[in-house]
Amino acid sequence: NAGVTQTPKFRVLKTGQSMTLLCAQDMNHEYMYWYRQDPGMGLRLIHYSVGEGTTAKGEVPDGYNVSRLKKQNFLLGLESAAPSQTSVYFCASSKGYVFQPQHFGDGTRLSIL
Amino acid sequence: KQEVTQIPAALSVPEGENLVLNCSFTDSAIYNLQWFRQDPGKGLTSLLLIQSSQREQTSGRLNASLDKSSGRSTLYIAASQPGDSATYLCAVVGYSGGGADGLTFGKGTHLIIQP
Repeated sequence: NAGVTQTPKFRVLKTGQSMTLLCAQDMNHEYMYWYRQDPGMGLRLIHYSVGEGTTAKGEVPDGYNVSRLKKQNFLLGLESAAPSQTSVYFCASSKGYVFQPQHFGDGTRLSIL
Repeated sequence: KQEVTQIPAALSVPEGENLVLNCSFTDSAIYNLQWFRQDPGKGLTSLLLIQSSQREQTSGRLNASLDKSSGRSTLYIAASQPGDSATYLCAVVGYSGGGADGLTFGKGTHLIIQP
């Protein structure tokens, strides 16, 4: 049972480059989330999705775009990477939004030079 | 804006001791409070979820309590073991006029259990 899988695990980019982070879940969960974790800041919600074809902004959405074309996948895109986007990115999913716990992937460590 | 604070930021205790981790939040308008565990280089693992109408939840050696009116939660770990060493995170799901908000996390307590 894979749970939540994030691809890639590590990546180094140059400023201005673009990339897409992939999150896949095999639990048939409706809700999916992207967080970033920074030292001294804790985890902060970037974007989330309440179902296939839907997306919504979280606390820190600027500079990121997301898509949920299939229920099991949630993509996070950086169109023009900036050093401030150096972080560890976590994807999570849940069956419900309020009454069920979120299940997290192992993270993507992204460095922007 | 909801703020979640965890005290202490770090804790080191000998194996076998019982310990308490603290979490406080500024806005009592919450749907639930969750405790997570994070191991180095890994994602978060959900430990306990307490609904706003509940006072506590238990799982094995873990017990979490919630006092919504005072904005406080505690995570009690009984008979600590070296394998309990990790960072423990507290998070709340709040609500506003537009419905449920996202998870707001504390910065965590880094726990070391000395063999």
